[in-house]
Amino acid sequence: EAGVTQSPRYAVLQEGQAVSFWCDPISGHDTLYWYQQPRDQGPQLLVYFRDEAVIDNSQLPSDRFSAVRPKGTNSTLKIQSAKQGDTATYLCASSFWGYSAETLYFGSGTRLTVL
Amino acid sequence: QEKVQQSPESLIVPEGAMSSLNCTFSNSASQSIWWYQQHPGKGPEALISIFSNGNKKEGRLTVYLNRASLHVSLHIRDSQPSDSAVYLCAVRSAGNKLTFGIGTRVLVRP
Repeated sequence: EAGVTQSPRYAVLQEGQAVSFWCDPISGHDTLYWYQQPRDQGPQLLVYFRDEAVIDNSQLPSDRFSAVRPKGTNSTLKIQSAKQGDTATYLCASSFWGYSAETLYFGSGTRLTVL
Repeated sequence: QEKVQQSPESLIVPEGAMSSLNCTFSNSASQSIWWYQQHPGKGPEALISIFSNGNKKEGRLTVYLNRASLHVSLHIRDSQPSDSAVYLCAVRSAGNKLTFGIGTRVLVRP
């Protein structure tokens, strides 16, 4: 069974440029998460979906970040005007929601560098 | 907001020794505690989880949870060079959120 797939693997931008990250979750998983992981830190939740609905986006910098999951399968995270502080690895994870034992499966991430 | 702290920051152990990692969290009502392993350039991978006070064993892994002291530990028996990685403690709390610590970097020397 295929795991969580993310693309691109790397992105290098100048400040002010836009970038999109794409995630294909494990087939059948209804819940999808986007995490930001700065270097030498743990992952920090940005937003998560159940099917196509946003459940929690309270940690998403809404003025520059947006995330969609229109058909409840693939998802796109976009940064409109990147800042140096956005330099991090962006991880997508998926799970089958149901109980507290739900396991998150992560992709390998997109490593973003903003110059 | 849930807070998760891990110690030590890094650990070097000889091959075959026990690796012991610690994690403290802020909310005794947290639903479950997870340990993830992360190799360079890869996403975290779930290793083991625990819900109730006490211990749980899976293969070379043992985890101990004490909700009263808000402490959980992970012990890796017979550590192998392939166990070299960052180990992340994560706590699931209300709203189904998983909050991670910054990790412990483990290096197993052959």
